[in-house]
Amino acid sequence: DAGITQSPRHKVTETGTPVTLRCHQTENHRYMYWYRQDPGHGLRLIHYSYGVKDTDKGEVSDGYSVSRSKTEDFLLTLESATSSQTSVYFCAISTGQGKGQPQHFGDGTRLSIL
Amino acid sequence: GENVEQHPSTLSVQEGDSAVIKCTYSDSASNYFPWYKQELGKRPQLIIDIRSNVGEKKDQRIAVTLNKTAKHFSLHITETQPEDSAVYFCAALDSGTYKYIFGTGTRLKVLA
Repeated sequence: DAGITQSPRHKVTETGTPVTLRCHQTENHRYMYWYRQDPGHGLRLIHYSYGVKDTDKGEVSDGYSVSRSKTEDFLLTLESATSSQTSVYFCAISTGQGKGQPQHFGDGTRLSIL
Repeated sequence: GENVEQHPSTLSVQEGDSAVIKCTYSDSASNYFPWYKQELGKRPQLIIDIRSNVGEKKDQRIAVTLNKTAKHFSLHITETQPEDSAVYFCAALDSGTYKYIFGTGTRLKVLA
């Protein structure tokens, strides 16, 4: 267990409402990632962070924003949720230093947009 | 950027047989290739990884091989057991960033 906590674990909300998902880590790792997982698409990167206030877009970033004001927390925000954003969201951290280090995932957040 | 293709999408084998899952990648400079196992309703878990300076790596019944020339890498599971049933994902690290690109997954069913 790499000390990753995602909250909430489940959420149901309505179209047009803002939603924020939180990823918290306890081991001071530099790199943090948000993925969404949908049937037939595997894991797709939304955004990632390589340090406090340093973030970059992934392959499916439209409609999502992120913030990292502290090393331990990486927040994913859906400013105005749409039904197409119904998915399972996983946070991951990359352990070690430099490139090519193992990623470890949180337990996921199941988000339903009605 | 990196692109990863994974085959097959589903695979059924008899208990005790071997299973092979193959992934191809596009970025010839990629140098790190992990494999994940995901059981139903659970998080993906790293099971083995390989770096580009190595051609093969083994861990008990699991092995990964890498062919840099052909740009493909494969997961081999020997003596399969029912608990090996899961979805397996390959991934490759994009050489220009810290992004990991995942394959679309293989659902492995081990039949008792």
